[in-house]
Amino acid sequence: EDKVVQSPLSLVVHEGDTVTLNCSYEVTNFRSLLWYKQEKKAPTFLFMLTSSGIEKKSGRLSSILDKKELFSILNITATQTGDSAIYLCAAYNNNDMRFGAGTRLTVKP
Amino acid sequence: DTEVTQTPKHLVMGMTNKKSLKCEQHMGHRAMYWYKQKAKKPPELMFVYSYEKLSINESVPSRFSPECPNSSLLNLHLHALQPEDSALYLCASSLPGQRIEKLFFGSGTQLSVL
Repeated sequence: EDKVVQSPLSLVVHEGDTVTLNCSYEVTNFRSLLWYKQEKKAPTFLFMLTSSGIEKKSGRLSSILDKKELFSILNITATQTGDSAIYLCAAYNNNDMRFGAGTRLTVKP
Repeated sequence: DTEVTQTPKHLVMGMTNKKSLKCEQHMGHRAMYWYKQKAKKPPELMFVYSYEKLSINESVPSRFSPECPNSSLLNLHLHALQPEDSALYLCASSLPGQRIEKLFFGSGTQLSVL
């Protein structure tokens, strides 16, 4: 059965800390791994990864995929209170997007 | 226009009511999705329409009835729902058949069934 597992499920840090969120997947016909940030309602897109070893960066966020070990990480450096959200990873195959349970990140001032 | 618009934002209904959720996008996307998300849980796929045809139905009860009148619109008709159906219903769209897939989500309809 296809599955996407995220860890930790919950994380509390202080502003300025660096965090690493983990996502492992077992999905048949895997095509891409996506990261979303969900604050209140709609998940907003962060990254899409299709190739191993190529880091994607956007400001303080970066992500990388390892297709051999079937996992991805999302790094956030110099965290801010505005980074508080649920971070979802999702594995896409030819049919649908399967989401992990998410990591709830809380950044305290 | 890079938005997926969902209406209503909030909906409260009784178990005997009939209501509809609406979703609209004008990005030329030809795949549209309904997801259900319970509190503190990830989104769960319900239906996928590709080129206005239902391509995936994830064993959703018949009290949920999707409809795709055209390439820009997606509806979810609700009838005789149960309290456990209360959840955030998310619509999403994407360009099917592309090597790279990315879902654009609407802001969701928060549904409460009394």
